[in-house]
Order: sequence, then C-alpha cells, then structure tokens
Amino acid sequence: DQQVKQNSPSLSVQEGRISILNCDYTNSMFDYFLWYKKYPAEGPTFLISISSIKDKNEDGRFTVFLNKSAKHLSLHIVPSQPGDSAVYFCAASGSSGTYKYIFGTGTRLKVLA
Amino acid sequence: EAQVTQNPRYLITVTGKKLTVTCSQNMNHEYMSWYRQDPGLGLRQIYYSMNVEVTDKGDVPEGYKVSRKEKRNFPLILESPSPNQTSLYFCASTREGGEQFFGPGTRLTVL
Repeated sequence: DQQVKQNSPSLSVQEGRISILNCDYTNSMFDYFLWYKKYPAEGPTFLISISSIKDKNEDGRFTVFLNKSAKHLSLHIVPSQPGDSAVYFCAASGSSGTYKYIFGTGTRLKVLA
Repeated sequence: EAQVTQNPRYLITVTGKKLTVTCSQNMNHEYMSWYRQDPGLGLRQIYYSMNVEVTDKGDVPEGYKVSRKEKRNFPLILESPSPNQTSLYFCASTREGGEQFFGPGTRLTVL
C-alpha cells in the first residue's frame, strides 16, 4: 500500500514557465514533508520541507504548498530552468523526531530550453 | 565538506556470497538510514539507526543486517545475497530538524 503517491511519472515544461509537481498521501498522521531532487548517478539532495502547521513554504524559486484536508502537497518551481531537469521525490514523516520517512515513487521533470 | 560516502559504488556478485556496503558521514549526525531504490517503487527504507548501538527495521529489512558501533559508520550487510536484492542502495544521514543527506549510491547486481 503506497502511503505517498506521485501519480505523474514525468512532466515536461518550457524554460521560464512554472513547474508544478504533485504528491498525495493517505496517512493523516504524517506531519512533516520534504522534497528531494535527484540527478542521475547521484544521491537525492534536499530541496525544501514543510511542517503540517504551515500551508506554504518558500525558498527562492521553490515553493511547497500543503493542503492537509486534501492530503496533498505540491512543489512549484518558478521560473523553471534547464538545470532543474531531474527526478523529484516527495517524502513524509509521521513521527517528529524519529526521521522515518516514506518516499513517493518520483516524478521526472524535463525543462525544455 | 559535509558528506556521506559509500563504498563500493558498483558491485557485481553472485548469489550467496556475503558482502558489506560501507557508509560513513562526517557531520556527527545521530540518525542514519539505508534505502533501496527500485523502478516504480521509489526509495524504501531498509534499516535505520537513531544512535550508536541503536538500530531498527525499516519497511524492507528482510535479507539485510546493519551495525552501528561508531556514530560515523553504518555498514549494510547482505549475509547471503539473492537476485531480488539487485538494486540501487543509498545511505543517508539526518541532521536534527529532519534534513537528510544522501550518499552517492551503490549499484548492486546479484547474479
């Protein structure tokens, strides 16, 4: 049973436009969410996180939105750049302090120049 | 430079031949984890450790062992590897607050 789902395996966006990556979860006990970016032949790198007490967190071109009632979060990248082309994973944790994360299956983003 | 290192990066082995993948971090983090990544399944946690001598099973622990004798090292041991353990493995170290730092990955093939 996949508790964290990324239903879009891939996404293509023109350079300069907005990229929106989506993530759904089923466990209402999840209270901390993260997004990671992964390039080929490298480990995932942390992008941005959000706690369940917030509904939005921004860091430069990256914004994460959390809709707790819908059990949905999204990552917005504005403007998208070719260097953003990578696989993006969302992850969720249900127990603050234990750092036990459940990952989604990933979305491959391709930003077209 | 803060980093997580894994060795080897690539390994081809045969069924039943014991192997160890090493993981080391230089950030003095207490929490470390091992994940495997498989197509269509994302990253799944194998084992984690909350401190020296404290380890626990993740979501897919069968066929794996770990040890945590020092804070910086967290080796993953496959006592008798099988072909279904062919995968891409990542070690991660977590700082207080939750941000995880991942190693570069170990691609394992079991024939």
